[in-house]
Amino acid sequence: DAGITQSPRHKVTETGTPVTLRCHQTENHRYMYWYRQDPGHGLRLIHYSYGVKDTDKGEVSDGYSVSRSKTEDFLLTLESATSSQTSVYFCAIRGLAAANTGELFFGEGSRLTVL
Amino acid sequence: SQELEQSPQSLIVQEGKNLTINCTSSKTLYGLYWYKQKYGEGLIFLMMLQKGGEEKSHEKITAKLDEKKQQSSLHITASQPSHAGIYLCGADGRPKLTFGTGTRLTIIP
Repeated sequence: DAGITQSPRHKVTETGTPVTLRCHQTENHRYMYWYRQDPGHGLRLIHYSYGVKDTDKGEVSDGYSVSRSKTEDFLLTLESATSSQTSVYFCAIRGLAAANTGELFFGEGSRLTVL
Repeated sequence: SQELEQSPQSLIVQEGKNLTINCTSSKTLYGLYWYKQKYGEGLIFLMMLQKGGEEKSHEKITAKLDEKKQQSSLHITASQPSHAGIYLCGADGRPKLTFGTGTRLTIIP
């Protein structure tokens, strides 16, 4: 199994509070991603990182920020959580070296409920 | 931006029957990934296709990428309860991967 862990796995919070989800990898992969999964929408990319301090937006980045100060950690922050951000969040890592087939390895997901 | 449409959205199949899931892209596919997700769990990589006409198999699952590289199909032969879950296709837009909305597969006895 790819060495990728997410924390927390479950969280319930109230509207307006800040929330940070953490993704930790032990594979030393350059690329890391945050997706959210909602019924009827599949997986949608929030933000991704292509190196330490290098990040870019995905298709649903509004209301989210990310940081990557170390290769192994990629943080997703909701500055002021809203009910529309209730979702399951998946972190993924990817190796794009020639030896890799390029697939994403996913974490187990973090279920966030905003009341 | 690239969009992927999967069909059908949900599928109920009797155990032992064959089934096909389709993934159609709005743009040329330069790499197509298939994943499976068990309910409430993370995604598991099944296979990746890159070349037009390419076909790959793993156990009873076969995936194809058509010659024009805008559609892929996933075929399961003699379905089993272990095949139940959500199947997602993903288009490679290196470094990003864009996913379809998924197909929920239910296997009934």
